[in-house]
Amino acid sequence: RKEVEQDPGPFNVPEGATVAFNCTYSNSASQSFFWYRQDCRKEPKLLMSVYSSGNEDGRFTAQLNRASQYISLLIRDSKLSDSATYLCVVNPASGGSYIPTFGRGTSLIVHP
Amino acid sequence: EAQVTQNPRYLITVTGKKLTVTCSQNMNHEYMSWYRQDPGLGLRQIYYSMNVEVTDKGDVPEGYKVSRKEKRNFPLILESPSPNQTSLYFCASSTRQGNYGYTFGSGTRLTVV
Repeated sequence: RKEVEQDPGPFNVPEGATVAFNCTYSNSASQSFFWYRQDCRKEPKLLMSVYSSGNEDGRFTAQLNRASQYISLLIRDSKLSDSATYLCVVNPASGGSYIPTFGRGTSLIVHP
Repeated sequence: EAQVTQNPRYLITVTGKKLTVTCSQNMNHEYMSWYRQDPGLGLRQIYYSMNVEVTDKGDVPEGYKVSRKEKRNFPLILESPSPNQTSLYFCASSTRQGNYGYTFGSGTRLTVV
């Protein structure tokens, strides 16, 4: 099993739709989690951290389910500008090294 | 402005001609890393460094070298580039534990002919 798995998509949704992505991870002791957004041929940019209690930033909601070992990203009222690839990032447990593991990304296409 | 600066943004070179891609961060981050990104393969880690003079191989280190003589700089060296190293390269940095996420440079698009 891969350490971090994402459905590559693409998710093709109309403007205004609600869309959700999941990301599963294999290391049950993982400590911190993030969602990144990457536009075509640009650098990944931090979208939001994912906390155990869940967190919301405007139209975006991130949640962590430790029992089932996945994180999710929910986008409400999708905009054309939300079209991008969304990467999940999982930080391992302690032990002296904190080498992040990146998912391969989920592609989102929002159409008019 | 807190940032990671990579240079050059674009580079076309010939097989076997040594090149260096520079990476510099101004956030006093301990952790720095190099990734390559190819279609369908996601980000693959080449090398990383947890601090000055401390470097380790990532998943795809063959054909690359790095050095960390100063905290802010982490250059990527291709001693003898080959066409299979044609890719989009990103440098990233973070605090040691990465609790606040990772900051990426703007990327270097390398073509080896």
